[in-house]
Amino acid sequence: QVQLVQSGADMKNPGASVKVSCETSGYTFKGNYIHWVRQAPGQGLEWMGWINPNSGGTNFAQNFQGRVSMTRDPSISTVYMELRNLRYDDTAIYYCAREGRLTVTDRDAFDIWGQGTLVTVSS
Amino acid sequence: EIVLTQSPGTLSLSTGERATLSCRASETLSGSYIAWYQQRPGQAPRLLIYAASTRAAGIPDRFSGSGSGTDFTLTIERMEPEDFAVYYCHQYRTSRSFGQGTKVEIK
Repeated sequence: QVQLVQSGADMKNPGASVKVSCETSGYTFKGNYIHWVRQAPGQGLEWMGWINPNSGGTNFAQNFQGRVSMTRDPSISTVYMELRNLRYDDTAIYYCAREGRLTVTDRDAFDIWGQGTLVTVSS
Repeated sequence: EIVLTQSPGTLSLSTGERATLSCRASETLSGSYIAWYQQRPGQAPRLLIYAASTRAAGIPDRFSGSGSGTDFTLTIERMEPEDFAVYYCHQYRTSRSFGQGTKVEIK
């Protein structure tokens, strides 16, 4: 079945970088954009950006531009999200989510989500 | 950026009652680029509704979505125990953004 499996929890110091992986399976890797969404403790969902696994093209939310990068490795059907210069308020669960091909339009909802990766920023 | 405002913040209901959740967009979402997700404690969000009114695969028919323009609604007929959760609306017309969520709790 279609799955997104993320890397395990991580703890970093302020100013460090974190890289979270999202391994996909059960579908054609290059066929769907992958988005990253984060959720601070007790808070709502915040969209971070997307990567096109086919071309490697990316698009980031303004809040994260300059601090985030998204890459992919087609040979292992995995995408990565790296966040740099971590701050205490970057403590959150980070989710990868697949943009579905649910309609004939050029964009769609997120039909499959990873299990989430808790990133804790603490000194 | 399109801002989504959900109301109410919290909804207290009993099993068997109907839930009506609202999502208002700061600008018109032509093409109905709205989705709804359910998030239970400790779990990832789950897609319920896309294109404003289409149920995702495997979603029970007690869940329905409606609306157009700037005002959208998620309705849950006859709340079941597993439906008590947080619900988010999501627009994907321009970039992406989420509402702040509505918590549906047991009265």
